[in-house]
Amino acid sequence: RKEVEQDPGPFNVPEGATVAFNCTYSNSASQSFFWYRQDCRKEPKLLMSVYSSGNEDGRFTAQLNRASQYISLLIRDSKLSDSATYLCVVNSPTSGTYKYIFGTGTRLKVLA
Amino acid sequence: DTAVSQTPKYLVTQMGNDKSIKCEQNLGHDTMYWYKQDSKKFLKIMFSYNNKELIINETVPNRFSPKSPDKAHLNLHINSLELGDSAVYFCASSPGLLSGNTIYFGEGSWLTVV
Repeated sequence: RKEVEQDPGPFNVPEGATVAFNCTYSNSASQSFFWYRQDCRKEPKLLMSVYSSGNEDGRFTAQLNRASQYISLLIRDSKLSDSATYLCVVNSPTSGTYKYIFGTGTRLKVLA
Repeated sequence: DTAVSQTPKYLVTQMGNDKSIKCEQNLGHDTMYWYKQDSKKFLKIMFSYNNKELIINETVPNRFSPKSPDKAHLNLHINSLELGDSAVYFCASSPGLLSGNTIYFGEGSWLTVV
């Protein structure tokens, strides 16, 4: 089982739609969680951290379910500019330190 | 000013050559990383350094040798390049080893081995 798993997509949605991505992780001792966005031929950039109580940033809502070991990202009112790959990132303990483990990413295409 | 900068951005080289990629961060971070993103877009950690000390080495071939002259710099030297080394190499940094820190990436170095 991969340490962090995501549905690769692509998710093709019309402008204005609501879309949700899930991500599961295998290490129950994982401490912190993030969603990153990666545009084509660019570096990954932080979209938002994910907190235990869930958190929202404008049209984006992130949730964490520790019991089931998954995190989610909800995008409301999708814009063309939201088209990108969304990477789930889990910070997990390993050999006395922490390691950022990336999922393979979920590709989103917002269509006009 | 770019927070994490790496050079070169593009590199095309022949099999068997030796090449280096340099990385510098001006964020004052203690921890730096090298990640490799292959053709399937999977981003995988290679090395992690904290205050110039190697913390993580993810079973990377010995042909890859990172060097951190100070905590603001982490360079990657690759010997005897192989076709399979073609990928995008991302340098990154974070404030420290504590969980919860955000990781910041450089723009990537596109390596093509022919």
